[in-house]
Amino acid sequence: EVQLVESGGGLVKPGGSLRVSCAASGFTFSNAWMSWVRQGPGKGLEWVGRIKSIGDGGTTDYAAPLKGRFSISRDDSINTLYLQMNSLRTEDTAVYYCTTQPGILREMDVWGQGTTVTVSS
Amino acid sequence: QSVLTQPPSVSGAPGQRVTISCTGSNSNIGAGYDVHWYQQLPGTAPKLLISGNSNRPSGVPDRFSGSNSGTSASLAITGLEAQDEADYYCQSYDSSLSGVVFGGGTKLTVL
Repeated sequence: EVQLVESGGGLVKPGGSLRVSCAASGFTFSNAWMSWVRQGPGKGLEWVGRIKSIGDGGTTDYAAPLKGRFSISRDDSINTLYLQMNSLRTEDTAVYYCTTQPGILREMDVWGQGTTVTVSS
Repeated sequence: QSVLTQPPSVSGAPGQRVTISCTGSNSNIGAGYDVHWYQQLPGTAPKLLISGNSNRPSGVPDRFSGSNSGTSASLAITGLEAQDEADYYCQSYDSSLSGVVFGGGTKLTVL
């Protein structure tokens, strides 16, 4: 069964940092392009960014407003995707989902259950 | 304000047909980039409903269909059922923003 399981969410103070993880199983993670999407409380979906497979260069792209503060990485040896979030703001409070996305023009076909990040003093 | 515009809400009675629009511009839908649709049931993660404008993944009933024309796309749901009550989102790519964009979401209420 294809599965994505996020973890690492929690409460962090404004200006702080947090890294959330996404454990993948049931498919060849090393070949997969992966994305992060977030959803603020009572709000819609917002694309955070994407990382290609290492075989395709492993490069990353980010939503313009988040560039410089957020960073996506992967460890194919343990089938895990990461999202490093720095200089967090209250408006970054959201559920963070990891997804598979075969290309930046493509659909997001598998979603995790999400992990909640709350930025508050 | 979302790059792709969806109506905040739509409603219909069981058995009826409803459509949800997704209006973009010449830098996204109008440029020929595919539109994808997601269903988000209350308290759950989004689920892929339509890919590549009109393709249904395995397991999605044929009551759901997608189409697009010009700078807009539409999701149609026929034979409305109570279990269809959810939020629906469209997604595409925007060349001006060089990134993925979502619609603001539409809440479907089954009367």
